[in-house]
Amino acid sequence: SQQGEEDPQALSIQEGENATMNCSYKTSINNLQWYRQNSGRGLVHLILIRSNEREKHSGRLRVTLDTSKKSSSLLITASRAADTASYFCATGGGSTLGRLYFGRGTQLTVWP
Amino acid sequence: DAGITQSPRHKVTETGTPVTLRCHQTENHRYMYWYRQDPGHGLRLIHYSYGVKDTDKGEVSDGYSVSRSKTEDFLLTLESATSSQTSVYFCAISESESREQFFGPGTRLTVL
Repeated sequence: SQQGEEDPQALSIQEGENATMNCSYKTSINNLQWYRQNSGRGLVHLILIRSNEREKHSGRLRVTLDTSKKSSSLLITASRAADTASYFCATGGGSTLGRLYFGRGTQLTVWP
Repeated sequence: DAGITQSPRHKVTETGTPVTLRCHQTENHRYMYWYRQDPGHGLRLIHYSYGVKDTDKGEVSDGYSVSRSKTEDFLLTLESATSSQTSVYFCAISESESREQFFGPGTRLTVL
């Protein structure tokens, strides 16, 4: 399966701490995307990193991609209670016409 | 937020009845997707469309059909609903096959 797998499944931290989530996948990709989902809501796109990129930043988010290890990480710095959500990685590429393969997600809880 | 709506937002139906879910977008994006989200499975692609009247199957397409007669609308039909189709259904749109996807708010379907 091309599906990404997030690790850990659940992460609990205090406000102000950094949160790191990892994603591993099995096949070659064109891009890897990270999404956030608040409870009972739809997914919100966070960041897209292409296979020829190694690192990307967006505000407090930092994403890395290591295609040789088929893995990616999402770092949220100085976390806030509002960051509490599920985070999903999704892989896409090749001849799949935009199809994304989602992992099962990491549930992040940030305590005030 | 991307202009994407889903209707209905909630539906309870009985086994064996037909059900149609609608996804409507105002962004004129070419690609549209239907996913289902179940605990422990993340998001799984049901069907997708890469243009008007152009559709293809995803990884869990059995028991579902789709139609796209206009750019803005993508319909998902359960011809004869079963309890295993109880789920939350998300529609997503994308401008191109290598871009981010924007998700609708979801439809919670319960099949009794």
